[in-house]
Amino acid sequence: DSGVTQTPKHLITATGQRVTLRCSPRSGDLSVYWYQQSLDQGLQFLIQYYNGEERAKGNILERFSAQQFPDLHSELNLSSLELGDSALYFCASSVVDSFGGYTFGSGTRLTVV
Amino acid sequence: QKEVEQDPGPLSVPEGAIVSLNCTYSNSAFQYFMWYRQYSRKGPELLMYTYSSGNKEDGRFTAQVDKSSKYISLFIRDSQPSDSATYLCAPGRGNQGGKLIFGQGTELSVKP
Repeated sequence: DSGVTQTPKHLITATGQRVTLRCSPRSGDLSVYWYQQSLDQGLQFLIQYYNGEERAKGNILERFSAQQFPDLHSELNLSSLELGDSALYFCASSVVDSFGGYTFGSGTRLTVV
Repeated sequence: QKEVEQDPGPLSVPEGAIVSLNCTYSNSAFQYFMWYRQYSRKGPELLMYTYSSGNKEDGRFTAQVDKSSKYISLFIRDSQPSDSATYLCAPGRGNQGGKLIFGQGTELSVKP
């Protein structure tokens, strides 16, 4: 157990729907990162939050949004889902930034049908 | 051109072999370099971390960075079947918060 908790582990939903993925960081970590992993694109950085504030943004689609709450857990919201959104979504956390690396959760496997 | 290039393999070696995994990168602003290991259907786990050029050793693993040629290597000595996984290099820049750019990953299989 890495200490980063992601729920749900698996999610199957239909095109056009909206889902929310949840992440609880390791105790003491203030930064949360979201990554998408697909077979053709590999691990792609989506967004980082630090202590409730957005800190860095990657190629995150406008249909996707995230937030970090006062208790430091984070949610990634995916809307108007398309088949191509099927992927593994990972959350990671670190104390501040990635200097020294960060810890990943076990991921949420999203399947859009 | 991708910022980080990594041969996806798959790479198959016999148990006990020395394994060399490599990445090249294009952005000279990268300051620190990670190697992550990912077992099938699991989250990546941090294996090695280096800052600037040089070597770093941890048990059977050695990470090497050559910033002049923008080349990153991970060597595994006395490879074991339990080393079978996908290995991802991930450089990062200090002034961009926590963003790491991951290579595509090299799938390694160590046969008993």
